[in-house]
Amino acid sequence: TQLLEQSPQFLSIQEGENLTVYCNSSSVFSSLQWYRQEPGEGPVLLVTVVTGGEVKKLKRLTFQFGDARKDSSLHITAAQTGDTGLYLCAVRPGSNYQLIWGAGTKLIIKP
Amino acid sequence: NAGVMQNPRHLVRRRGQEARLRCSPMKGHSHVYWYRQLPEEGLKFMVYLQKENIIDESGMPKERFSAEFPKEGPSILRIQQVVRGDSAAYFCASSSSTTVESYEQYFGPGTRLTVT
Repeated sequence: TQLLEQSPQFLSIQEGENLTVYCNSSSVFSSLQWYRQEPGEGPVLLVTVVTGGEVKKLKRLTFQFGDARKDSSLHITAAQTGDTGLYLCAVRPGSNYQLIWGAGTKLIIKP
Repeated sequence: NAGVMQNPRHLVRRRGQEARLRCSPMKGHSHVYWYRQLPEEGLKFMVYLQKENIIDESGMPKERFSAEFPKEGPSILRIQQVVRGDSAAYFCASSSSTTVESYEQYFGPGTRLTVT
């Protein structure tokens, strides 16, 4: 079983719509990261959330870390075609330096 | 200000050949991580290296895979006697000593290995 479950796995919506994707776990983490990966490229870090209940905004993207620090959501307002990509969440459990990743949500924004 | 560089971007190998993947970290970064990504899956950690040292190789298969990060030159991920199951995208990430604790890792564009 995956440590991090991302949902939905796939989402295709029209430009201008709003959407929310989720990253869930039964474990508690000290922090969580969101990345976006475009086809043929490596992941790019969007945000790191650290405090339970924390909300961070990055233009039209709003990231929230659950109160219990077990889950996180990413909300996109008025989606644009440039938002198309694979959205990945990642955590670093324990004291080592490896990142553990969710399988991602593949987002397609249609013009 | 160059980012993480990986080469080659695409590599085709026949079964049984060796694959060598190179990664040059961002300037000033001395920590390198290798990850593998299979289609429709997230990234899987393979190995974490600092200059001339392997710190954590818990994600790397015990056989055929090795990694190094020499004092001079890029980090190398070597896969010997490749099999079809090794076909994947291999990503390298780097961080500096000041960002390693906050685990801000910067990723390269990846090497897509195809084993025929």
